[in-house]
Amino acid sequence: DTGVSQNPRHKITKRGQNVTFRCDPISEHNRLYWYRQTLGQGPEFLTYFQNEAQLEKSRLLSDRFSAERPKGSFSTLEIQRTEQGDSAMYLCASSRYIRTGLSSGNTIYFGEGSWLTVV
Amino acid sequence: AQTVTQSQPEMSVQEAETVTLSCTYDTSENNYYLFWYKQPPSRQMILVIRQEAYKQQNATENRFSVNFQKAAKSFSLKISDSQLGDTAMYFCAFGGGSEKLVFGKGMKLTVNP
Repeated sequence: DTGVSQNPRHKITKRGQNVTFRCDPISEHNRLYWYRQTLGQGPEFLTYFQNEAQLEKSRLLSDRFSAERPKGSFSTLEIQRTEQGDSAMYLCASSRYIRTGLSSGNTIYFGEGSWLTVV
Repeated sequence: AQTVTQSQPEMSVQEAETVTLSCTYDTSENNYYLFWYKQPPSRQMILVIRQEAYKQQNATENRFSVNFQKAAKSFSLKISDSQLGDTAMYFCAFGGGSEKLVFGKGMKLTVNP
């Protein structure tokens, strides 16, 4: 078990550029989540996948954001035409969904996050 | 919509002492989970402890225990015998019928030698 892996860990980009983050979940975890965390705040939910299907997107995920999980394994989060307000840490997490009781009871495991600074 | 409030932004404690972190939440759901997550500096967030709302018994994990007051919508974390490695941001989180977790703003805990 190598844990949830995210890269790059840090990215500095100029406003208007596109950036892409990758997440490799724990193997055999069928659910994958993206959260965003800004300084002084807790993580905020962006979206999640079950296998390759994107099942929920937060209203925080504007049209400039797109997430994919093409083969149900790794996922990418792309931000187009970055703005300074996009500066944050983007957290990926994964879980093994077991259909008993509330799905929120399944333990989710976080990666170390990808820091984005837009200058 | 669910909300999670951590009113103490920062606390410090001496090594080996006990500290309690507070958290309140608001929800109209009857069945849910509550969590405490720890985020050490530059490290990933890890689950410390979780509580199922329908269980009356408070959860415990070694030095960590919770005081869950469902009627008051309060969920505090007690850390006994504090260790230097407990220094971290601590986040209280709510998980209900939706897939997403709702986090509080976090509290910075410093354990002093």
